[in-house]
Amino acid sequence: DAGVTQSPTHLIKTRGQHVTLRCSPISGHKSVSWYQQVLGQGPQFIFQYYEKEERGRGNFPDRFSARQFPNYSSELNVNALLLGDSALYLCASSFSQGPYEQYFGPGTRLTVT
Amino acid sequence: GESVGLHLPTLSVQEGDNSIINCAYSNSASDYFIWYKQESGKGPQFIIDIRSNMDKRQGQRVTVLLNKTVKHLSLQIAATQPGDSAVYFCADAGIDRGSTLGRLYFGRGTQLTVWP
Repeated sequence: DAGVTQSPTHLIKTRGQHVTLRCSPISGHKSVSWYQQVLGQGPQFIFQYYEKEERGRGNFPDRFSARQFPNYSSELNVNALLLGDSALYLCASSFSQGPYEQYFGPGTRLTVT
Repeated sequence: GESVGLHLPTLSVQEGDNSIINCAYSNSASDYFIWYKQESGKGPQFIIDIRSNMDKRQGQRVTVLLNKTVKHLSLQIAATQPGDSAVYFCADAGIDRGSTLGRLYFGRGTQLTVWP
């Protein structure tokens, strides 16, 4: 069975630009969460979507937004990129809205120059 | 902010030995914990989870122990292999008891190095 997939794998953007990251959850999973992982640290929660609705948001500015589609895939959008947005962006999927058994994708490495 | 942390940032063991990775959490209302393994350049890989109504849970070559009295959990890896070399994270779920939010809180991780 396919795991969580994310695209693109790597991305290089310039300050001020916009970026869209994509995630496809494990088949049958209805919850998608987004995390940011800065080098040398643990992942930090950005958003959770369940049944196409936002169910939680972490301490990130409004430049970060996301949505979930009817097939449960999800997009993370970041506007007005800053150098500090350079990180590994991870998507995790799970069957339920709760925190249980979240499986991560390989991540998208975003570099802002 | 973080509700979990790890005792040691690095751990080196000989191949074949047992490894123990420790984690402390601060929120007594935390009721679910997950251990993840993250290899360089990859996403975190689910290893094992445990709920607060359990003290111990075993998987293949791994055991998680939960001590709610001192708010501590550990991951034990039996017969450690070179392929076990990675960063290990414990994650805490749910600040508020009964919360349905799927948010996980991660510590900084422990780098496990296995020597041949």
